[in-house]
Amino acid sequence: DTEVTQTPKHLVMGMTNKKSLKCEQHMGHRAMYWYKQKAKKPPELMFVYSYEKLSINESVPSRFSPECPNSSLLNLHLHALQPEDSALYLCASSQPARGGNSPLHFGNGTRLTVT
Amino acid sequence: SQKIEQNSEALNIQEGKTATLTCNYTNYSPAYLQWYRQDPGRGPVFLLLIRENEKEKRKERLKVTFDTTLKQSLFHITASQPADSATYLCALRTNAGKSTFGDGTTLTVKP
Repeated sequence: DTEVTQTPKHLVMGMTNKKSLKCEQHMGHRAMYWYKQKAKKPPELMFVYSYEKLSINESVPSRFSPECPNSSLLNLHLHALQPEDSALYLCASSQPARGGNSPLHFGNGTRLTVT
Repeated sequence: SQKIEQNSEALNIQEGKTATLTCNYTNYSPAYLQWYRQDPGRGPVFLLLIRENEKEKRKERLKVTFDTTLKQSLFHITASQPADSATYLCALRTNAGKSTFGDGTTLTVKP
């Protein structure tokens, strides 16, 4: 098991639903990340939070809304998604993002299906 | 444009042999290069990190090299075992904290 916990493991939602993905880490890391991974593709960066502040947004559509309530928690709020948003959503954490050589610690992801 | 390429989508080798995976990049100035392992349905797991001023790093049966002139990293697994079968991803990390992954190489080690 990983030290980064993601819930739920699986999620099926309709295009008009609102749902949230949750991520938690207790390693004292101050940087947290959301990645999206499609089948047989590498993880693609969506957002980076550093010290609970959004530091990188990779031009992600506004139907994805991240939130970092505190240094241990990271949420991804979903609204009006499209079927092509179906993917594995991975959360990761690390020591501070800038200048650090800390590797990423990933959770096992939420498998999202949009119908 | 920036690009990270891993040598092949799939690599099949016999148990006990050395697996060598390649990661090439263009238009990047990475501070660090990392290698991860990913099993189906799970998140990537960190294996090794090498800094831009390091040539080689080892950990048990794993060895990684980093040539910033050739813009290439080689990842070796010696005495490979069927349990080493997985997808291996290289990732370039900049000082701004952004990590970008290559497409991965799926290694199959046959008994």
